[in-house]
Amino acid sequence: DAKTTQPPSMDCAEGRAANLPCNHSTISGNEYVYWYRQIHSQGPQYIIHGLKNNETNEMASLIITEDRKSSTLILPHATLRDTAVYYCIVRVWEYGNKLVFGAGTILRVKS
Amino acid sequence: GAVVSQHPSRVICKSGTSVKIECRSLDFQATTMFWYRQFPKKSLMLMATSNEGSKATYEQGVEKDKFLINHASLTLSTLTVTSAHPEDSSFYICSARVPTGGNHNEQFFGPGTRLTVL
Repeated sequence: DAKTTQPPSMDCAEGRAANLPCNHSTISGNEYVYWYRQIHSQGPQYIIHGLKNNETNEMASLIITEDRKSSTLILPHATLRDTAVYYCIVRVWEYGNKLVFGAGTILRVKS
Repeated sequence: GAVVSQHPSRVICKSGTSVKIECRSLDFQATTMFWYRQFPKKSLMLMATSNEGSKATYEQGVEKDKFLINHASLTLSTLTVTSAHPEDSSFYICSARVPTGGNHNEQFFGPGTRLTVL
């Protein structure tokens, strides 16, 4: 699975959009981009995933560049409860494939 | 989404004792479960893949005799830390795979178990 690079930390004002970047320049054609987050002392929580097209769900939007070498997770209206470590993971989707976590980005939402 | 539970949520034990952690899929059957450990301010590290009815597959550097994994049913996997020592103190997290074809959101995580070895 391709490696990802994320900034170690980011701050965001409450109510504003949080844009979390992820670089995956060695991604291959059959690898998906997944985002999970982990609130302190809890298990990770799935957020969103995508292959080529931009994706949106009730939690967030995922913007993938045309060359697929980078992506951005957008939390449209960040709240204090969105403070967490956000992990960008690239992997081939196949039955039972495992998730390997990198260092992630610590997002601090401040009032 | 699917729910995964872990028990206990927190355990303190003496050095040399063994500790068993349970991971249950509450509303689905999981043929595959994963065990992770996490040290303070560090990322999750995959320890092993647990398959129902067969031996677990351990990641490189993880001692299989130290961390015994049993996946005897489709809803339960257990991790036993044998002869625990202070360096085994960590946050242990399991995840379970939802066996629905075409569903990319196929892995759900438990809330974790905090192990402290004195």
